[in-house]
Amino acid sequence: EVQLVETGGGLIQPGGSLRLSCAASGFTVSPYYMSWVRQAPGKGLEWVSGINSGGNTYYADSVKGRFTIARDNSKNTLYLQMNSLRAEDTAVYYCARGGYVYYFDNWGQGTLVTVSS
Amino acid sequence: DIQMTQSPSSLSASVGDRVTITCRASQSISTSLNWYRQKPGKAPELLIYSSSSLQTGVPSRFIGSGSGTDFTLTISRLQPEDFATYHCQQSYSTPPTFGQGTKVGIE
Repeated sequence: EVQLVETGGGLIQPGGSLRLSCAASGFTVSPYYMSWVRQAPGKGLEWVSGINSGGNTYYADSVKGRFTIARDNSKNTLYLQMNSLRAEDTAVYYCARGGYVYYFDNWGQGTLVTVSS
Repeated sequence: DIQMTQSPSSLSASVGDRVTITCRASQSISTSLNWYRQKPGKAPELLIYSSSSLQTGVPSRFIGSGSGTDFTLTISRLQPEDFATYHCQQSYSTPPTFGQGTKVGIE
């Protein structure tokens, strides 16, 4: 069974940093395009970042230069390093299999990031 | 970026009703349109991909159609677990973009 489990969310002050992790099981992440998608409270879904099988990385304009996506094949885990956090980054962050020109066929349960002083 | 617009933003219905949700793209996306259901407090789950293909394990009461810029999701007979928010998403070009969501509530 495919499973994605996110960890690392929490309360952080504006300007701070946080690293999210997404542990995958039931499949190997390396051949897949993997993404982070976020949902601000009461809002719709927003694609944040993606990484393809070749390790190429992609970002939404809203996070470019502040967030970094990475993958550890030995741990079968996806990461999102978030720096210079802003109040508008407050959201539930989901790890998902898919993105680019693919649909998202599996999602994690999400982890809440709250940016507030 | 391709803009996705859903209508209505919310609706009320009863168990057994037929419900239709519309999604419009700001430019032609062929059939690269996907639908998700999101139950309260849960992650989205894929229902339909490529406009009309049913994801494995999804009940046949979910029907997707459309091409170009206009798409619909029909739930033929609403079940209690279908009271949720539905999102469309285009996978025609990057970045992938979503509609604002349609909340289906109990009448």
